[in-house]
Amino acid sequence: DAGITQSPRHKVTETGTPVTLRCHQTENHRYMYWYRQDPGHGLRLIHYSYGVKDTDKGEVSDGYSVSRSKTEDFLLTLESATSSQTSVYFCAISPDRDGYGYTFGSGTRLTVV
Amino acid sequence: GENVEQHPSTLSVQEGDSAVIKCTYSDSASNYFPWYKQELGKRPQLIIDIRSNVGEKKDQRIAVTLNKTAKHFSLHITETQPEDSAVYFCAARAAGNKLTFGGGTRVLVKP
Repeated sequence: DAGITQSPRHKVTETGTPVTLRCHQTENHRYMYWYRQDPGHGLRLIHYSYGVKDTDKGEVSDGYSVSRSKTEDFLLTLESATSSQTSVYFCAISPDRDGYGYTFGSGTRLTVV
Repeated sequence: GENVEQHPSTLSVQEGDSAVIKCTYSDSASNYFPWYKQELGKRPQLIIDIRSNVGEKKDQRIAVTLNKTAKHFSLHITETQPEDSAVYFCAARAAGNKLTFGGGTRVLVKP
């Protein structure tokens, strides 16, 4: 497929519980990004990574943390899920810093009840 | 940071007609402008892009124009077909930065 997979594809969780979403790539791309998609807001950047153990915040990072211990995996954690974090989460990869050639994963639909 | 506005939010066209989606950006340093198409339940996929040293780019039925002075760029789809129905996103990237996306345009092509 596109060399990038997200898991799980769907998840329902309760308010206050921790949740971890996984993005796995087989392209050996250095750059990885987490976006959330909400109606009317397009795609908003949560966190991104420029390499192993090298991460930074995006425009909507509050309530989220990330980790990247291996090139191929980028994890997004909601420390204590809230209803406002109900969304579709997309991971993207890029071979270079400047965003050329973004490839998106299939997304994770997260519902916080 | 960069801010990208996209209009209209929804667009309904008759099959065979043209569709135009417009975006404006705020950071004059932005130099790369991709367009993504997202079909229902699918991932966004790159359909065309343009760099700041080019004013227009065409690929079959789709074209993108860029006006750096006015800081706006547009997607043109000609001879629309039902399979063009999707959500389209514009984006802008300033040098050394990440992609900032517009809010999306839902295009419906009526047969």
